[in-house]
Amino acid sequence: NAGVMQNPRHLVRRRGQEARLRCSPVKGHSHVYWYRQLPEEGLKFMVYLQKENIIDESGMPKERFSAEFPKEGPSILRIQQVVRGDSAAYFCASSPVVGYDAEAFFGQGTRLTVV
Amino acid sequence: AQSVTQLGSHVSVSEGALVLLRCNYSSSVPPYLFWYVQYPNQGLQLLLKYTTGATLVKGINGFEAEFKKSETSFHLTKPSAHMSDAAEYFCAVSDPNGGFKTIFGAGTRLFVKA
Repeated sequence: NAGVMQNPRHLVRRRGQEARLRCSPVKGHSHVYWYRQLPEEGLKFMVYLQKENIIDESGMPKERFSAEFPKEGPSILRIQQVVRGDSAAYFCASSPVVGYDAEAFFGQGTRLTVV
Repeated sequence: AQSVTQLGSHVSVSEGALVLLRCNYSSSVPPYLFWYVQYPNQGLQLLLKYTTGATLVKGINGFEAEFKKSETSFHLTKPSAHMSDAAEYFCAVSDPNGGFKTIFGAGTRLFVKA
């Protein structure tokens, strides 16, 4: 069962370094979503991408954060110059279609710790 | 804009007792509603979803939820809790504006006592 694969599962970065999180969607899925989960909080939407396009990035911080979903390869969430407040679990989800009732399949997340 | 409120960040029940997790939503358009479960250090797994039609929706692991438009609610229930049900549960609503992203509630952590 090749579900959504995220790597690494755990990532430790020092303040000021870059964090790069990878997400391989379910095979055949062309819609990818990134969410951030802070301790004791729910999932907060960050960005929605289709192949080579950012559709909705309304949840992305204006600075330091970027995302891409190239034609070939995984989706990447990049955080530059990380700060302690970036420590969180980052989840990627994919769906085969877009629509009100489209089920999102989630990866196991990448837990980022900034020290 | 859509929003979801889950009443109670923590719920504790005894094994064999009824599970009731509350969810209220706000939506300017007919909503599509979801319940997801998250086990420790795992991603989210879909329990059930409501789109159209029958308002009582049955999901996996014996869970069900009822869409009540008049109350803007979508509460999750299970007649008899099992130890393996201990997890975090998220209610969510789809957002048809701006890309169909899913809006999640803050989550309810379910504890099951032996």
